[in-house]
Amino acid sequence: AQTVTQSQPEMSVQEAETVTLSCTYDTSESDYYLFWYKQPPSRQMILVIRQEAYKQQNATENRFSVNFQKAAKSFSLKISDSQLGDAAMYFCAYRSQVQGAQKLVFGQGTRLTINP
Amino acid sequence: DGGITQSPKYLFRKEGQNVTLSCEQNLNHDAMYWYRQDPGQGLRLIYYSQIVNDFQKGDIAEGYSVSREKKESFPLTVTSAQKNPTAFYLCASSIGREGYQPQHFGDGTRLSIL
Repeated sequence: AQTVTQSQPEMSVQEAETVTLSCTYDTSESDYYLFWYKQPPSRQMILVIRQEAYKQQNATENRFSVNFQKAAKSFSLKISDSQLGDAAMYFCAYRSQVQGAQKLVFGQGTRLTINP
Repeated sequence: DGGITQSPKYLFRKEGQNVTLSCEQNLNHDAMYWYRQDPGQGLRLIYYSQIVNDFQKGDIAEGYSVSREKKESFPLTVTSAQKNPTAFYLCASSIGREGYQPQHFGDGTRLSIL
């Protein structure tokens, strides 16, 4: 079974600085998808960025980018120019490419605090 | 605007009572999901449905039941058999069963025991 581990329960960063959130996963599959979701105090889960495992190029979305290391099974999220609105819980998630596989496997989350 | 609507926002259950959480989507998505979130933990899958009149158990289906009579609706019933129902429940949907399609989430329902 796949597992996702976020080893940093809490992180903090100064506004406008850069922060990197770590995520590692365990799988025997070669094709899969990885996601980062943000959960602000409102508790809604918001998709931040996604990565297809077959793509070597790291995904980017504005200030958010990932460092995907397939061999190391690592999928870290970098937030550049941190803003107060980035404060939230961040969850890393894994999804199999197996036909019919529906489950998103989530890590335990990292609480990110932005210091003004 | 298209989205996922969960109701109620807060729900209280008495001992021995079944309660139903509502989830409606107007995104025309085929697949819908129910997750449970406990404090300090990630989400765990309860049930999912790929098409109308079909649904599958997730990792923690015991004590829960669902139906999918309409594409737009996927209600979750927390039965009296679920001994520890206090949690935050999130409903999600996605266009199809392909893995790259992201899941879109509702605002959640917080269920507590009276």
